[in-house]
Amino acid sequence: ETGVTQSPTHLIKTRGQQVTLRCSSQSGHNTVSWYQQALGQGPQFIFQYYREEENGRGNFPPRFSGLQFPNYSSELNVNALELDDSALYLCASGERSGANVLTFGAGSRLTVL
Amino acid sequence: QQQVKQSPQSLIVQKGGISIINCAYENTAFDYFPWYQQFPGKGPALLIAIRPDVSEKKEGRFTISFNKSAKQFSLHIMDSQPGDSATYFCAASKVLGNEKLTFGTGTRLTIIP
Repeated sequence: ETGVTQSPTHLIKTRGQQVTLRCSSQSGHNTVSWYQQALGQGPQFIFQYYREEENGRGNFPPRFSGLQFPNYSSELNVNALELDDSALYLCASGERSGANVLTFGAGSRLTVL
Repeated sequence: QQQVKQSPQSLIVQKGGISIINCAYENTAFDYFPWYQQFPGKGPALLIAIRPDVSEKKEGRFTISFNKSAKQFSLHIMDSQPGDSATYFCAASKVLGNEKLTFGTGTRLTIIP
């Protein structure tokens, strides 16, 4: 059992740029969700992917997009970065057929200058 | 709209004491209430969870108390230890289908010797 791994761990971008964050799901899991955690706040749901399709979305604009690949790895893409996008981005994997137990990665900390 | 309210924001407890963190929810469709523990530099990790068909669940030193009529639930940490120092998040969701987790704002717990 390898757990959920995310990359990169830290990155710095400037306003207007684009960023791609990557996630490898835990073995045996078939859903992947992305959460944004601002400093001092709880994680906020961005979206979930199942069978390579978006399966639920939180209150985030379309410039937040994602992909899930056949091996259940995933990407989060954010276009036209804004200062408020600075946060810890968490990936979580789970099993759709099971109880809602999510395994989180350690996150990618994005700083937008 | 914040659907899960958590208090206190921070908590200091002496070693051996009882730590109590409270949460209240609004959405009556929620039927799964997990608590997550997060250490600095790590992602949230599931600590304990409860369904509303029981009023209490205990796992080791950790107990969830649930009051369905009041739409409130709480985490009790008995015999608190310095290793319990972390940020704790309550959350709520529907239990099946990997529905999104709605998190509280977190409680930073510090256990002092």
